[in-house]
Amino acid sequence: GAVVSQHPSWVICKSGTSVKIECRSLDFQATTMFWYRQFPKQSLMLMATSNEGSKATYEQGVEKDKFLINHASLTLSTLTVTSAHPEDSSFYICSAFGTETNYGYTFGSGTRLTVV
Amino acid sequence: AQKITQTQPGMFVQEKEAVTLDCTYDTSDQSYGLFWYKQPSSGEMIFLIYQGSYDEQNATEGRYSLNFQKARKSANLVISASQLGDSAMYFCAMREGGYSTLTFGKGTMLLVSP
Repeated sequence: GAVVSQHPSWVICKSGTSVKIECRSLDFQATTMFWYRQFPKQSLMLMATSNEGSKATYEQGVEKDKFLINHASLTLSTLTVTSAHPEDSSFYICSAFGTETNYGYTFGSGTRLTVV
Repeated sequence: AQKITQTQPGMFVQEKEAVTLDCTYDTSDQSYGLFWYKQPSSGEMIFLIYQGSYDEQNATEGRYSLNFQKARKSANLVISASQLGDSAMYFCAMREGGYSTLTFGKGTMLLVSP
């Protein structure tokens, strides 16, 4: 079946540094990649949508200069949290769209980011 | 107005019993899809079941079935014969028309007791 590999699964970084999260579709081409943020005991909040080769579309209230999304190929999308601060600590999860499996959507396993 | 409403923040069920998790939705599109996902404490999103708006029969996948009532705009998930491993957060989600974005409900935490 369709698999999306998300790395790292967890990361701790110092305040002010940048962190890159990768999502890679292993056996299909993802025409669209969605990036979500999730706080404890809350729902997934869509941050941005990216299509291969074009700029990401950010949801209202999401700082595009802080959360840089690159979708350079049909199998790889990255989210970079720049100049991270403790309030950026959260669970980030990607979802790739472009396969008939699971009716189109395959989620990565998520990244737990802690900024100290 | 919320597009996906899950009114049960938490549900308790005993092992081997059936449980229904509620989901109502709001859309003016004729073509839409409804999804249920399970999210255990590890955080991964596990696809459970899908119902298309034009599907005439309720979807079923093993112990999971979706009680689809189109006129009432509800898409409740029924889990039969609950197992301890079913304890998790459950999210209802919708895709509308030609858009590929999924809209999620707030989720229901299910706890299965022995």
